[in-house]
Amino acid sequence: KQEVTQIPAALSVPEGENLVLNCSFTDSAIYNLQWFRQDPGKGLTSLLLIQSSQREQTSGRLNASLDKSSGRSTLYIAASQPGDSATYLCAVSSSGGSYIPTFGRGTSLIVHP
Amino acid sequence: GAVVSQHPSRVICKSGTSVKIECRSLDFQATTMFWYRQFPKQSLMLMATSNEGSKATYEQGVEKDKFLINHASLTLSTLTVTSAHPEDSSFYICSASVFGLGVALNEQFFGPGTRLTVL
Repeated sequence: KQEVTQIPAALSVPEGENLVLNCSFTDSAIYNLQWFRQDPGKGLTSLLLIQSSQREQTSGRLNASLDKSSGRSTLYIAASQPGDSATYLCAVSSSGGSYIPTFGRGTSLIVHP
Repeated sequence: GAVVSQHPSRVICKSGTSVKIECRSLDFQATTMFWYRQFPKQSLMLMATSNEGSKATYEQGVEKDKFLINHASLTLSTLTVTSAHPEDSSFYICSASVFGLGVALNEQFFGPGTRLTVL
């Protein structure tokens, strides 16, 4: 059974810092990995999706990398802004089954001015 | 990106009543929709997988007679919480998987969620 862990659970940083959020998974036979953002009381917004054949994806100030062999993904946020404050969730779809994603518990990020 | 809507966004009801939540894919056809439940400061818990035209597949521990799921079309799935009790109060979120040219297989798009409060 796939297990997804996100570290750290919470992070508070001053504006402008570059950040790294970590996601690890136990079963390397994945189909894809997706990073989401969730604002309080809201649904999830898809940020980046990495297919198993890819090593990274970039969108604006966000860069996500994938290392299947070590079971890790990182989300890099450059030049953080207060508007980046949210919970960031990692979800892994495993290839050996129904492809239903398994979610981590998220990293709660606060960027203060 | 693909848009998923949920209705209502917030509902308050009395204990014992039933509540229906709708999940719609607005600009694409979703062969599969998922229903999640989220408690405060917790991650998403998958309740069931809904495929158009067939019965939903429920996760272990989720009562199918309590949480009725209907996926009548490629753009609409509904979750009905029957005889709701205070412990059913939660944030319910649906998502849809998108298939099609130029779209990554199994990419998930989420609705904005429905906050259910049972008094």
